Amino acid sequence: DTGVSQDPRHKITKRGQNVTFRCDPISEHNRLYWYRQTLGQGPEFLTYFQNEAQLEKSRLLSDRFSAERPKGSFSTLEIQRTEQGDSAMYLCASSLASGRTDTQYFGPGTRLTVL
Amino acid sequence: AQSVTQPDIHITVSEGASLELRCNYSYGATPYLFWYVQSPGQGLQLLLKYFSGDTLVQGIKGFEAEFKRSQSSFNLRKPSVHWSDAAEYFCAVAPPLAGTALIFGKGTTLSVSS
Repeated sequence: DTGVSQDPRHKITKRGQNVTFRCDPISEHNRLYWYRQTLGQGPEFLTYFQNEAQLEKSRLLSDRFSAERPKGSFSTLEIQRTEQGDSAMYLCASSLASGRTDTQYFGPGTRLTVL
Repeated sequence: AQSVTQPDIHITVSEGASLELRCNYSYGATPYLFWYVQSPGQGLQLLLKYFSGDTLVQGIKGFEAEFKRSQSSFNLRKPSVHWSDAAEYFCAVAPPLAGTALIFGKGTTLSVSS
């Protein structure tokens, strides 16, 4: 396994701009999760895919946020009209369903700074 | 509501000393339990997990954790800390089902003094 990868690792943008992040999960993992982590806090769940289907979205995922996983492999997270409050680390995790258990493996994250 | 409490925001331990990081959860049933470690600017690495069975769980890097149902706790321990263990540690819970979000505590920052 090459691990979960995320691109870019860092993104600086101006308020009002759109940004898109990419996550490549561990090969053959069918579940993919997005989390957001702000300074001094633990990660908070945003959304989750099983294969290409988006099965759950958090209330944190405002209308400006959209996530896709078009072919059940990589995923993108887009933030439109960024705000300074969007500044955070965006973490992706993937897992392979096995019975009732599910272990999530995290990528290195994308740190977003909105000026 | 489900929640995870890590009572200690910051702990400093001498190198070679033992370590215990506390984690308490609030959940209706016995959840799945996890400990992750995060180095500065990095993602989270899984240290260990508990799904069922033996309540003492062994993980990577010499860490272990003990699930105590009566205390709703899942404390992380290491008998001898190394300087490279300095990082932030997160306890997380999930419902006993596959395919659900993790709920994280706010983390404990571990500093190691020489």
